[in-house]
Amino acid sequence: GQSLEQPSEVTAVEGAIVQINCTYQTSGFYGLSWYQQHDGGAPTFLSYNALDGLEETGRFSSFLSRSDSYGYLLLQELQMKDSASYFCAARSNDYKLSFGAGTTVTVRA
Amino acid sequence: EAQVTQNPRYLITVTGKKLTVTCSQNMNHEYMSWYRQDPGLGLRQIYYSMNVEVTDKGDVPEGYKVSRKEKRNFPLILESPSPNQTSLYFCASSDTGGFNTGELFFGEGSRLTVL
Repeated sequence: GQSLEQPSEVTAVEGAIVQINCTYQTSGFYGLSWYQQHDGGAPTFLSYNALDGLEETGRFSSFLSRSDSYGYLLLQELQMKDSASYFCAARSNDYKLSFGAGTTVTVRA
Repeated sequence: EAQVTQNPRYLITVTGKKLTVTCSQNMNHEYMSWYRQDPGLGLRQIYYSMNVEVTDKGDVPEGYKVSRKEKRNFPLILESPSPNQTSLYFCASSDTGGFNTGELFFGEGSRLTVL
C-alpha cells in the first residue's frame, strides 16, 4: 500500500518562497506527482518526478530523493492566486496513484 | 475541447437507493479512475481501469462497483448507498504516456449526499 505525509497548512506572504514536503512509504514506488486544487474544484497537474533531482516548471519546481522516500514542491514568487490546496501523489508499479491529505497554502498580501 | 465530464454534479439521495455517477472522456485515454475526497483525507482511489473490460480495486472499493464497456465511459455505481458514502467524487483519466508522467485529467467533481 501507499502512505504519504505532508504538512496540513502553510501561510506565506506574496513574493515569498514556500516548500511543501512530502514523505512516502510505498511498495513498488514508481514516481511522485504534484497537484493543485482550488476550493474543491478539479485537481490540476503541476509536476512529476520519476528520477532523483529537480524538475522546474516556471515558478513551480519539484524535487525527489528516492533513497530518502522524500520529495518537495517549491513555489516561488508567491501570488495570491497560488492560495490553494496542494497534493503529492505516489504512483506505484501496479498502476495505482495514491494521494497525500493535502497542504493548504494561504498567501497573504 | 478535451475534457472529463461527470454527471450529476450534485445529488442528494436516501439510503439504499441505487445510483450511478457517469464519467466520460473525449481524449481516447486508456486509463480511468475514480476517487473520493473527504476533509482531511485527501483523494482516495476507489477503482481504476487500464483499458476496456479491465478494472481493479483501489484503496476504498467497498460499496462501489464500476464497469468499462467502452473506452470513453467509466460509470461509478452505488448499489445501496449509505451515509458514509457522502463525499465529493472525482473521475480522472490519462493516456498511457500521460500516466507514466503522473498526469491525470480530472472531472469537475460530483458532490453526493446520502441521507
